[in-house]
Amino acid sequence: GENVEQHPSTLSVQEGDSAVIKCTYSDSASNYFPWYKQELGKRPQLIIDIRSNVGEKKDQRIAVTLNKTAKHFSLHITETQPEDSAVYFCAAIRFSGGSNYKLTFGKGTLLTVNP
Amino acid sequence: DADVTQTPRNRITKTGKRIMLECSQTKGHDRMYWYRQDPGLGLRLIYYSFDVKDINKGEISDGYSVSRQAQAKFSLSLESAIPNQTALYFCAIRTGMNEQFFGPGTRLTVL
Repeated sequence: GENVEQHPSTLSVQEGDSAVIKCTYSDSASNYFPWYKQELGKRPQLIIDIRSNVGEKKDQRIAVTLNKTAKHFSLHITETQPEDSAVYFCAAIRFSGGSNYKLTFGKGTLLTVNP
Repeated sequence: DADVTQTPRNRITKTGKRIMLECSQTKGHDRMYWYRQDPGLGLRLIYYSFDVKDINKGEISDGYSVSRQAQAKFSLSLESAIPNQTALYFCAIRTGMNEQFFGPGTRLTVL
């Protein structure tokens, strides 16, 4: 089955710096890669995603890159702010229609942005 | 927007008790999921359902059972709770864009 490795498990940065979280996956058939942000005591929420036919996607201060050959994808947060502090989860999904849907989460990264 | 609700939000129980966690969604999505979250272990899939008659085990189904009473409702049961089932439990639905939309979570403590 799919295996998703996420690094680092904890990351501490100064406000204004950039943060990068990396994930690798094992199933070459995975074709959709969402990232979730979970603030303390709250539910995980989708913040950005990328499909396998795209190499990079950007939304304001966050961006995701995908290298299908190497089977890794990364989340980049620029100009970090204290409100970016949260646990971030990557996921790899294999979806080929109907019931053929398999999702595997990484173990999460605790990001702390220090003022 | 899809809405997913979970009851109860917090529960403390004793070893050996039967517990049911309930999940409801308002938008008629077919696919529903139960996850547990433990520190350092991320989100692990317990059970999932593609419709009322389709229930599937996830990676950590032992000690749990589920019931899909209607399209909108998906319940998770612990027949005889044990302390290592203490965790945060999330119900989720799969929306049309293949993302997981999570409920607010249920914090369960088994003493």
